[in-house]
Amino acid sequence: NAGVTQTPKFQVLKTGQSMTLQCAQDMNHEYMSWYRQDPGMGLRLIHYSVGAGITDQGEVPNGYNVSRSTTEDFPLRLLSAAPSQTSVYFCASSGLAETDTQYFGPGTRLTVL
Amino acid sequence: KNEVEQSPQNLTAQEGEFITINCSYSVGISALHWLQQHPGGGIVSLFMLSSGKKKHGRLIATINIQEKHSSLHITASHPRDSAVYICAVFPPYGNKLVFGAGTILRVKS
Repeated sequence: NAGVTQTPKFQVLKTGQSMTLQCAQDMNHEYMSWYRQDPGMGLRLIHYSVGAGITDQGEVPNGYNVSRSTTEDFPLRLLSAAPSQTSVYFCASSGLAETDTQYFGPGTRLTVL
Repeated sequence: KNEVEQSPQNLTAQEGEFITINCSYSVGISALHWLQQHPGGGIVSLFMLSSGKKKHGRLIATINIQEKHSSLHITASHPRDSAVYICAVFPPYGNKLVFGAGTILRVKS
């Protein structure tokens, strides 16, 4: 199994540009989520999904969209990038039980100029 | 007040020392996760706890549900243990993990 994969690993955007961060998992996990990690702060939930066709907002959803058309894929879209979105983004997946192991992707380091 | 508090924020230890990292939470939970993040690296799950104690190699994790507290211990610490250790819980509302800010551990040889 490849586990959780994310692309790209690094990205530089200009303010106002849009882009999609890709996330895929091959473990047939129902639960997928996106987090951002900023210096001195814990991981913060952006959006999450409990299955194909179902998404919901997390703690910091503004400026981001998600969709879940398949179990495997959970892309994160930045609609109009802002410098405040400079961060490291992690995708994660797991089963639906709170006791299930969390699997994280390698992260995407995004810089918005 | 954050729902999940970790202490200490930073910890420097000499190789071989016994290390304890603490996690306190303010909500009722059914599961607590300990995660590890190496510098520049990804995040891996170390333990999931719903009660009692778990051990994996030199790592031991304990939880006291009544006191809303968990500890992560590292015995015979080694420089390769240098990483950020993160505690996370599932509160009773919705499917949302809540994370502590992490403990930065540096083990010197």
